[in-house]
Amino acid sequence: AAGVIQSPRHLIKEKRETATLKCYPIPRHDTVYWYQQGPGQDPQFLISFYEKMQSDKGSIPDRFSAQQFSDYHSELNMSSLELGDSALYFCASSRGQLTGELFFGEGSRLTVL
Amino acid sequence: KNEVEQSPQNLTAQEGEFITINCSYSVGISALHWLQQHPGGGIVSLFMLSSGKKKHGRLIATINIQEKHSSLHITASHPRDSAVYICAVRPPNFGNEKLTFGTGTRLTIIP
Repeated sequence: AAGVIQSPRHLIKEKRETATLKCYPIPRHDTVYWYQQGPGQDPQFLISFYEKMQSDKGSIPDRFSAQQFSDYHSELNMSSLELGDSALYFCASSRGQLTGELFFGEGSRLTVL
Repeated sequence: KNEVEQSPQNLTAQEGEFITINCSYSVGISALHWLQQHPGGGIVSLFMLSSGKKKHGRLIATINIQEKHSSLHITASHPRDSAVYICAVRPPNFGNEKLTFGTGTRLTIIP
């Protein structure tokens, strides 16, 4: 069965560069969530989208932006990267808000040097 | 105090033992998730519960809404069960999508 696909799986960037992470939800899932997990930390909610509209916003820096496209995939754009942005970025998808079961991607590991 | 507390934080057991991981929460929820995170970092959703009990293979999850408590049980534990198990709760209202995560329980099963 198709799962949540994230790309790239690993990414290395320099400070002040820009990075884009992509998330392809499970087919027919209309809700996408982004989480950031720093080393040794709990995942932190960044942002979510339902039917291509932002549905909630968490601790996402102003340097980050995200959107959900017509095919329901989502992209997280990160600019002016800082060392502290090094983390594992998870995407999860569900069908419907609240009641849909969440499925997580494998994560994209970003390292900022 | 965290809104979601897990115990124990670390658990080491022998292969074959029955494992219980507990999660207590202090907020209203619409659902509770049990997640498994392997050393590589990938997260797998094991269960989503809003009431009662669910079973999948050797895994059993229960939730008591009145007591705001959930447990994850692993029967006949195996070294491949070694992972971090995370409890996460979903808020009850639309427009608030933030999952609140527990700090995780690191389980190590020794052959």
